[in-house]
Amino acid sequence: DQQVKQNSPSLSVQEGRISILNCDYTNSMFDYFLWYKKYPAEGPTFLISISSIKDKNEDGRFTVFLNKSAKHLSLHIVPSQPGDSAVYFCAASATDSWGKLQFGAGTQVVVTP
Amino acid sequence: GAGVSQSPSNKVTEKGKDVELRCDPISGHTALYWYRQSLGQGLEFLIYFQGNSAPDKSGLPSDRFSAERTGGSVSTLTIQRTQQEDSAVYLCASSLERFQETQYFGPGTRLLVL
Repeated sequence: DQQVKQNSPSLSVQEGRISILNCDYTNSMFDYFLWYKKYPAEGPTFLISISSIKDKNEDGRFTVFLNKSAKHLSLHIVPSQPGDSAVYFCAASATDSWGKLQFGAGTQVVVTP
Repeated sequence: GAGVSQSPSNKVTEKGKDVELRCDPISGHTALYWYRQSLGQGLEFLIYFQGNSAPDKSGLPSDRFSAERTGGSVSTLTIQRTQQEDSAVYLCASSLERFQETQYFGPGTRLLVL
């Protein structure tokens, strides 16, 4: 049962524009959410996270928004750069199972010149 | 400093053979995790170790899978009697402590079972 879902397998965006990646979850016990970025032949690298007590967290060009009532989070990348082309994974964990991250299937982002 | 390292980077084996995958976590990290990523899928949790506590094995898909962590550092994931459906990228991650959710990943071992 997929508890974290990324329904868009791919996203193409022009350089300089905003990239918006979406993630939905079903487990109401999730209280910590993360985004990871993955280049081919490399392991995922941590990008940004958000606790359920917040609805927004910003780090440079990256902002994560959390809507708990809708069980939805999104990652905004502004402005998009060619180096942002990668697969982005959404992940979630619950306090009573910290250490066990549930990942979505990923969204392939391609930033075009 | 050095990140998480994994070996081998690629492994091709025949169905029915045993394989061992190795993970060297970041020095000082007490928590270690194994995940796998099958083609077109997200990362699937397998097992995690925290210090000297009993590991959480709840994600292991069958009793053919086992893992050890010696001396609180290096970990080995063993798959016995490999099956074609075991083909995947096996990723190891470590973090400072269990409640530190930022997990740092290694590059993975790509396993192909023929």
